[in-house]
Amino acid sequence: QVQLVESGGGVVQPGKSLRLSCLASGFTFTSYGVHWVRQTPGKGLEWVASISFDGNKINYRDSVKGRFTISRDNSKNTLYLQMNSLRAEDTAVYYCARDYREYQLLFSFDIWGQGTMVTVSS
Amino acid sequence: QSALTQPASVSGSPGQSITISCTGTSSDVGGYNYVSWYQQHPGKAPKLMIYEVSNRPSGVSNRFSGSKSGNTASLAISGLQAEDEADYYCSSYRGSSTVVVFGGGTKLTVL
Repeated sequence: QVQLVESGGGVVQPGKSLRLSCLASGFTFTSYGVHWVRQTPGKGLEWVASISFDGNKINYRDSVKGRFTISRDNSKNTLYLQMNSLRAEDTAVYYCARDYREYQLLFSFDIWGQGTMVTVSS
Repeated sequence: QSALTQPASVSGSPGQSITISCTGTSSDVGGYNYVSWYQQHPGKAPKLMIYEVSNRPSGVSNRFSGSKSGNTASLAISGLQAEDEADYYCSSYRGSSTVVVFGGGTKLTVL
């Protein structure tokens, strides 16, 4: 079935790094833009970053620019989020999500992973 | 605070209809027809319920409908059922450096 499975979350000290992965299956990964969306415990959703189907178009929210890097390996059906210089306010559940329309970034997310928790704490 | 404004909570009895509003600006909700609605049950990932203001993905009940007027979008749920009890989030394309924004979420309680 169509699914996304995240991994790589954990507890990390402020200023350190972490890399999240998201393995896609059940659909043609190379045809879809994909995104990272986070959710602070008990609070709302916040878009983090997006990458187009071919990796040529990338967007970040302002608060993570210069610290986070989104990338994809279409040969491995995998999306990544490299997170550097982590801050306490980055603590959240991180979801990967698929854009609902092929070959476009329309920022509506029809398939979500189960999420991976990232805790930034000393 | 969130970029889009939603009521913190709404409630209704089984069989009734409710509406959840989502207010933004002319830079997001009012400027684009890319409003989406998500349902989230506790401990679960969000589920897309409405895209492009009023379109339902395959498999979503026709009890759910979306609309927009000016800078405010709305999600209507008719014939409330117990399983509709969840948090609902709206989102909109913004077209700036923060390309997509979410509302703060609305907790729907089915009495």
